[in-house]
Amino acid sequence: GESVGLHLPTLSVQEGDNSIINCAYSNSASDYFIWYKQESGKGPQFIIDIRSNMDKRQGQRVTVLLNKTVKHLSLQIAATQPGDSAVYFCARGYNQGGKLIFGQGTELSVKP
Amino acid sequence: EPEVTQTPSHQVTQMGQEVILRCVPISNHLYFYWYRQILGQKVEFLVSFYNNEISEKSEIFDDQFSVERPDGSNFTLKIRSTKLEDSAMYFCASKGRGAAFFGQGTRLTVV
Repeated sequence: GESVGLHLPTLSVQEGDNSIINCAYSNSASDYFIWYKQESGKGPQFIIDIRSNMDKRQGQRVTVLLNKTVKHLSLQIAATQPGDSAVYFCARGYNQGGKLIFGQGTELSVKP
Repeated sequence: EPEVTQTPSHQVTQMGQEVILRCVPISNHLYFYWYRQILGQKVEFLVSFYNNEISEKSEIFDDQFSVERPDGSNFTLKIRSTKLEDSAMYFCASKGRGAAFFGQGTRLTVV
């Protein structure tokens, strides 16, 4: 069946360090993957996406890596800041207007 | 920056009552969605809407749920007879050519 799972439910990092949040998926049929950030009491906020025919995509302070061989997706945050503290969800999408399937989420805590 | 807006932010209702959750998607988007998130859990897909009709719905979206886009700008989710287990955050999302953008959510509490 369709699923998107995360390796760790929580991650604690020191301010200024790099963070890596991981995500595994079970079904190969996907058009794209997205990372969302959710702060307490708010809606998911788009961070970065990557199409399934790509291996890497970079944004501002963030990099997403997609390893289709092992069905693994990661989000790297450079120089993590206290404002990065949130729950991070990976999600997969199937076509232009299709639904998103979300993973369970990883809570990132940044220690000052 | 364009955003998806949802009202109300918090709705408390008695079991068995009807609720309508409202959303104003981003104006040039064509795809609209409702998702829900039970406290502490992942975001779950409910329904997608495109070209004035439902394009896909999940098992959660049973006969008690309906969606409407009454006036070309608002997008509503109606729950006809609420149950205790409907208590959750409900998120509206809209999508153009890029990623889906989510609203801030409506916290629905059924008592």
